[in-house]
Amino acid sequence: DAKTTQPNSMESNEEEPVHLPCNHSTISGTDYIHWYRQLPSQGPEYVIHGLTSNVNNRMASLAIAEDRKSSTLILHRATLRDAAVYYCILSGSGNTGKLIFGQGTTLQVKP
Amino acid sequence: NAGVTQTPKFQVLKTGQSMTLQCAQDMNHEYMSWYRQDPGMGLRLIHYSVGAGITDQGEVPNGYNVSRSTTEDFPLRLLSAAPSQTSVYFCASSYSIWAAEKLFFGSGTQLSVL
Repeated sequence: DAKTTQPNSMESNEEEPVHLPCNHSTISGTDYIHWYRQLPSQGPEYVIHGLTSNVNNRMASLAIAEDRKSSTLILHRATLRDAAVYYCILSGSGNTGKLIFGQGTTLQVKP
Repeated sequence: NAGVTQTPKFQVLKTGQSMTLQCAQDMNHEYMSWYRQDPGMGLRLIHYSVGAGITDQGEVPNGYNVSRSTTEDFPLRLLSAAPSQTSVYFCASSYSIWAAEKLFFGSGTQLSVL
């Protein structure tokens, strides 16, 4: 199964942009890159996903490297409410139905 | 829509007791799954289902049973609870197993086994 590698933790200052990296060097051509986040004491929530092109939505942007071996979740202006664990996962024909969440990146946002 | 509803929110069991964690969704989703999350850890997949009558094992299925008799419900059964099953359990669903579909999660059940 294709795996992802994320830093264990990152810090950011409030109202500054945050770039959360994810490496997925064994990604296959049909794997989608998904990002979820988990706020304290809550279930994970969907953030964004993409296949090849960069994606934007109201929560964040997803920048995908040209070779697709890495991606970056971008929070344009971090707020205290963005403090959470962010998970980068791959979803494709190789793991249909078996979405594997790693330990993710714990983001701290300082006021 | 209520989304994904899990009951109960909290439960304390004694070793050897059995119980069922309930999960229901009202979004007509084909795919449903159960995860457990231990303190400081990521989520681990227990069982999943791609439709009524179809279930399969995830990463950590031992000690748990599931069934999917309806599209809406996906209960998780602990037949003989053990302290190692103390965890937070999350149910999730999505419209299909297509790789681009997003998962919707319930708010979790915190289970303690003494």
